[in-house]
Amino acid sequence: DIQMTQSPSSLSASVGARITITCRASQTISNFLNWYQQKPGKAPRFLIYAASRLQSGVPPRFSGSGSGTHFTLTITSLQPEDFATYYCQQNYNAPVTFGGGTTIEIK
Amino acid sequence: QMQLQQWGAGLLKPSETLSLTCAVYGGSFSGYYWNWIRQPPGKGLEWIGEISHSGTTNYNPSLKSRVTISLDTPKNQLSVKLSSVTAADTAVYYCARGQLPVGRGLINWFDPWGQGTLVTVSS
Repeated sequence: DIQMTQSPSSLSASVGARITITCRASQTISNFLNWYQQKPGKAPRFLIYAASRLQSGVPPRFSGSGSGTHFTLTITSLQPEDFATYYCQQNYNAPVTFGGGTTIEIK
Repeated sequence: QMQLQQWGAGLLKPSETLSLTCAVYGGSFSGYYWNWIRQPPGKGLEWIGEISHSGTTNYNPSLKSRVTISLDTPKNQLSVKLSSVTAADTAVYYCARGQLPVGRGLINWFDPWGQGTLVTVSS
């Protein structure tokens, strides 16, 4: 199975801050990488596919980049509704696998 | 707007069989791949398996010997059964739609998701 490793596992940031989350794959996955946002008690929300393409309706302050084994999710100007846990997911090989998550907390 | 609504027993004893159902509303059942994904409390997400609209299944090897995913096409429902559960199977279970089969180097994603069902295994 392809292992997905996210860092950091958690971070504290203020409203208006810019943050970047990293996701690394244990082998190359080209750009078959998705990002999800999850709030407590809720199902994940799909944000980004193919490493950098925003799902319809996702605010442009979210962006993704990367290919191969190294990927990032950046949120410019954090809003109160962005405080949540973020997961990356590879769709290169079955079984598809998720990163361990990065929780963004309010500073 | 497609919505997925799921239900099933929330408390099981070890060795029993987990059984959950997910109903699809507001869109075509056909042409998509229907997945089950689980999340142990406080932990990350694990893909369980998928079924195509025509009934072809694909399971996570780690669970393959115990899991069965099936469709009831006239009712627009999918179900998952997981046999011989243990405490390690305690998790929130989600159904989710995929555009294409998982993996295979295809651009694919899970959206939408069901609301989740907490299943607790305890004696």
